Amino acid sequence: GENVEQHPSTLSVQEGDSAVIKCTYSDSASNYFPWYKQELGKRPQLIIDIRSNVGEKKDQRIAVTLNKTAKHFSLHITETQPEDSAVYFCAGGMDYGGSQGNLIFGKGTKLSVKP
Amino acid sequence: EAGVAQSPRYKIIEKRQSVAFWCNPISGHATLYWYQQILGQGPKLLIQFQNNGVVDDSQLPKDRFSAERLKGVDSTLKIQPAKLEDSAVYLCASSLNGLLGGQETQYFGPGTRLLVL
Repeated sequence: GENVEQHPSTLSVQEGDSAVIKCTYSDSASNYFPWYKQELGKRPQLIIDIRSNVGEKKDQRIAVTLNKTAKHFSLHITETQPEDSAVYFCAGGMDYGGSQGNLIFGKGTKLSVKP
Repeated sequence: EAGVAQSPRYKIIEKRQSVAFWCNPISGHATLYWYQQILGQGPKLLIQFQNNGVVDDSQLPKDRFSAERLKGVDSTLKIQPAKLEDSAVYLCASSLNGLLGGQETQYFGPGTRLLVL
């Protein structure tokens, strides 16, 4: 089955710097890769996702890149702000024809943005 | 639009006791998921429902965990008997699941934090 590895487990940056979190996946059939942000004690919330038919997607300060050949995808946050501090999870999954396949999550990256 | 609702938010029980969690997905969402999130880890899927049918329960410890979604809307997850290692946050999520297929956004509930003593 699918296995998703996420690095680093912790990341500390200065406010205004960029942060990059990387994930690798094992199943070449996976074609959907969302990123979730989870603040302490709160639910995971989707911040961006990418499907295998594109290599990059951007939404304001957040971007995700996907390399299907190497089976890895990355989250890029530019101009980081203290409110970006949270745990970020990557996930991978695939379509099951007419129904939806489940997601396999990475172990998370705790991002700390220092003012 | 109301989000995914879960109750209770917190539960403390002793080992070998039973516990049940409840989830009400976003209205109209056909797919419902139960995840277990142990402290410091990512969510791990326990079971996935499509309407009232089970799509994937391969990671559900069936000797002690059970779940149902009888009418294809609300769902309950039960643990009987609980073990110390069941201490975790139990997250419910739902997605719309259009007929054309394809992965869709999963929306998570606030979770139930379980502590087994």
